[in-house]
Amino acid sequence: GQNIDQPTEMTATEGAIVQINCTYQTSGFNGLFWYQQHAGEAPTFLSYNVLDGLEEKGRFSSFLSRSKGYSYLLLKELQMKDSASYLCAVRDSNYQLIWGAGTKLIIKP
Amino acid sequence: GAVVSQHPSRVICKSGTSVKIECRSLDFQATTMFWYRQFPKQSLMLMATSNEGSKATYEQGVEKDKFLINHASLTLSTLTVTSAHPEDSSFYICSARGTTDHEQFFGPGTRLTVL
Repeated sequence: GQNIDQPTEMTATEGAIVQINCTYQTSGFNGLFWYQQHAGEAPTFLSYNVLDGLEEKGRFSSFLSRSKGYSYLLLKELQMKDSASYLCAVRDSNYQLIWGAGTKLIIKP
Repeated sequence: GAVVSQHPSRVICKSGTSVKIECRSLDFQATTMFWYRQFPKQSLMLMATSNEGSKATYEQGVEKDKFLINHASLTLSTLTVTSAHPEDSSFYICSARGTTDHEQFFGPGTRLTVL
């Protein structure tokens, strides 16, 4: 079966750095996505990785290792507004998005 | 980035009524649209995939006669929840994929409450 694992909840301090991990087992791989979702709102796109390595976009970076079925989202200089759920999703061989359950990130002052 | 709108944003209805939710891609043509449902504190659950001009493909366990999907044009898809019941209360989100873009663009979602 297809499976995506990410921690249920994480807590970090304002101004610090946090890394949210995602491991996946899917039938085929056509890219990995990270989305941010605030409570009661739809997800918003953060990053897309299809090749191994690190993609940096401002305070957010995303890393992918296809051989290990592993990705992480790195958030730097955390702000209170970063409190949200972070969803990892993998596009499989049928170009369907398989979603993780999301990681709720709590930022404390 | 591309914009996807949904209407209405919130709807409250009585049990047994039908509710139609519209999803529009505002500045691009979406050959494929997706409908998701999300219960509180849970991840997105794909309900169906619709391609313009053809019948939607429903995920296992989703009743196609209850959740009617129409994708009549490259910019509009509709989801109709027929004979809604309280257990259908959820957050319904659509997303659209363009012809060339690898990304899905999400609508703002529709909060459905069935009394």
